[in-house]
Amino acid sequence: QVQLQESGPGLVKPSETLSLTCTVSGGSISSYFWTWIRQSPGKGLEWIGYIYYSGTTNYNPSLKSRLTISVDTSKNQFSLRLRSVTAADTAVYYCARDWPWFNPWGQGTLVTVSS
Amino acid sequence: QSALTQPASVSGSPGQSITISCTGTSSDVGDYDYVSWYQQHPGKAPKLMIYEVSSRPSGVSNRFSGSKSGITASLTISGLQPEDEADYYCSSYTSISTLVFGGGTKLTVL
Repeated sequence: QVQLQESGPGLVKPSETLSLTCTVSGGSISSYFWTWIRQSPGKGLEWIGYIYYSGTTNYNPSLKSRLTISVDTSKNQFSLRLRSVTAADTAVYYCARDWPWFNPWGQGTLVTVSS
Repeated sequence: QSALTQPASVSGSPGQSITISCTGTSSDVGDYDYVSWYQQHPGKAPKLMIYEVSSRPSGVSNRFSGSKSGITASLTISGLQPEDEADYYCSSYTSISTLVFGGGTKLTVL
């Protein structure tokens, strides 16, 4: 069965760029939509955006100006880059498969924005 | 877009049934059958329980069921079990091709 695993720095400085990668195993990244979702500490879920394996993207309007999601089918990975981060971007970041429901999810990775 | 509205908490005793509501607008829940429900245990990733209002993924117990009326969707858990204690989130596709989540509901099994 397909599994997803997030990876990337756990600490990012304010104004810098948050970069995460999601590695897909047990299945091909070709076909399906691939999504990023985050959850601020003690808070609810927020949809960040998705990418189709062909490269088509759709972003949350509130993050669109700072966000890039890309895919590397040769590595079975997709990635998130969020520019000019602030403390408000501190969250557990999840990657997940499919749209507009998400199954399965990665285990999540905590990213803290702090100097 | 505004978050969907869920009750902050619900509770029930083992064996009972509970229902969690999820209220949106005519631009999301009311206009699309793309409502999903997720279960999240502490420190764990969310798990898909219901998609397309009332469909269950393979492996999800038939004690979990979903429905929708107008701008309000509902998740019903029957035969409540201790392991059902968790946070539950609804989500809906929107008219601007985005997705919105509910604020989450904490289910306590008494």
